[in-house]
Amino acid sequence: EPEVTQTPSHQVTQMGQEVILRCVPISNHLYFYWYRQILGQKVEFLVSFYNNEISEKSEIFDDQFSVERPDGSNFTLKIRSTKLEDSAMYFCASGGSSSYNEQFFGPGTRLTVL
Amino acid sequence: AQSVTQPDIHITVSEGASLELRCNYSYGATPYLFWYVQSPGQGLQLLLKYFSGDTLVQGIKGFEAEFKRSQSSFNLRKPSVHWSDAAEYFCAVGVNTGFQKLVFGTGTRLLVSP
Repeated sequence: EPEVTQTPSHQVTQMGQEVILRCVPISNHLYFYWYRQILGQKVEFLVSFYNNEISEKSEIFDDQFSVERPDGSNFTLKIRSTKLEDSAMYFCASGGSSSYNEQFFGPGTRLTVL
Repeated sequence: AQSVTQPDIHITVSEGASLELRCNYSYGATPYLFWYVQSPGQGLQLLLKYFSGDTLVQGIKGFEAEFKRSQSSFNLRKPSVHWSDAAEYFCAVGVNTGFQKLVFGTGTRLLVSP
């Protein structure tokens, strides 16, 4: 069964460093998302991406964040200068050919900022 | 604003007993409702969804949920809980302004006692 994959599973970085979180969505999906979950809190929407552009972003998704689909298979989330409060589990999700399709989530990347 | 409330942070159920997890939502339009399960160290797996039609929806692993518009609720049920059902359960509402984002509740952690 096709699934969303994410790498790395755990990333540790120093405050102020740039990180790139990688996701491989399900191959025929057209809608891509990033969510995050700070430890002990709810899962929060960050950004949705369709047709090679951001379709919606939350207020969390400020200028420090960017997303890219560099090669037609990967979907990346970049944080330019990490802060302590960026420590969280980051989930990638993909959906099919309609924005009404259900979203399939990857296993997540745990980001720890020291 | 859209929101999802899961009033129970933790629930403990004996193996073999029935289960009901509560979910209330606030959303002005027709809701798209989801239940996801998250096992430790795992991503979010879709249990079931409601888009329209029959208000009682069946999902995987023997779960079902009932949409009650008058109560703004979408409670998850299972007639007989197994030890492997111990996990965190998230209710979510899909907010679609052309591009869907999921708004999650805070989750309910289910513990199963022998």
